[in-house]
Amino acid sequence: RKEVEQDPGPFNVPEGATVAFNCTYSNSASQSFFWYRQDCRKEPKLLMSVYSSGNEDGRFTAQLNRASQYISLLIRDSKLSDSATYLCVVNMRRGKLIFGTGTRLQVFP
Amino acid sequence: NAGVMQNPRHLVRRRGQEARLRCSPMKGHSHVYWYRQLPEEGLKFMVYLQKENIIDESGMPKERFSAEFPKEGPSILRIQQVVRGDSAAYFCASSPDQGGLDSPLHFGNGTRLTVT
Repeated sequence: RKEVEQDPGPFNVPEGATVAFNCTYSNSASQSFFWYRQDCRKEPKLLMSVYSSGNEDGRFTAQLNRASQYISLLIRDSKLSDSATYLCVVNMRRGKLIFGTGTRLQVFP
Repeated sequence: NAGVMQNPRHLVRRRGQEARLRCSPMKGHSHVYWYRQLPEEGLKFMVYLQKENIIDESGMPKERFSAEFPKEGPSILRIQQVVRGDSAAYFCASSPDQGGLDSPLHFGNGTRLTVT
C-alpha cells in the first residue's frame, strides 16, 4: 500500500462548480498534513495546512479525519485559475514529507 | 527575500557523465530537502539534510547518488555516471525547522536533468 494515496483524476468541472478531493495515508503516526498545488512543470506551492478541527481559506476547505486516516480538500466556486494538480502531503517524521501522486483538476468555461 | 534558488534550471548530460545540482535555501533556513519527479509521476523524497549533516537519506539510490549541505555554500546533489533513467525534475525545498505544521516546505524552481 502506498504511504499516501490520491485519485489521479482528472476532474473536469465547469466554472463555479464545487469539487472535492480525497487522500488517504497509511502511517497512523503521521504528524502533520498539507495540500500543495503544482502547475504544469513548475514547483509545488503550499495551498494550506490541514488541522484536525478543519480549516478554511476563502474558497478552500480542508478536513482531517485521523481515525480513518483521511484528508480532504473542498474547492467552492471553481475558477479557471484553479486548474492544476493538487498534492496531498503527509509529514511522517523528522521533516520527511511524503507527497501523493496528485489529483489533476481542469476547470472549463 | 529571495526564495529557494536552484541552478542550473536545465542540465543536459550524456550517459556516464556526472551531474551536479545546486540549491541555496531561503535566508534563515537550515533544513534542505531534495525530491525527484519523473515525467507524469509524483514527487519522491530523496534526502533531508541540515548543515553538515544528512538526517534522512532513505529515498536516495544506494549507488551513484550523493548529497551534501556544507557549512558554507549551497546544498549539492551529485549524480555520478548518469543513465537515461535519471532524467527527471529535481526539486529542492527548505524550511527553518523540521518541516512541521508551522513551517511547510518552500520549493525552488527545480533542475530539469536530461540524459542523452
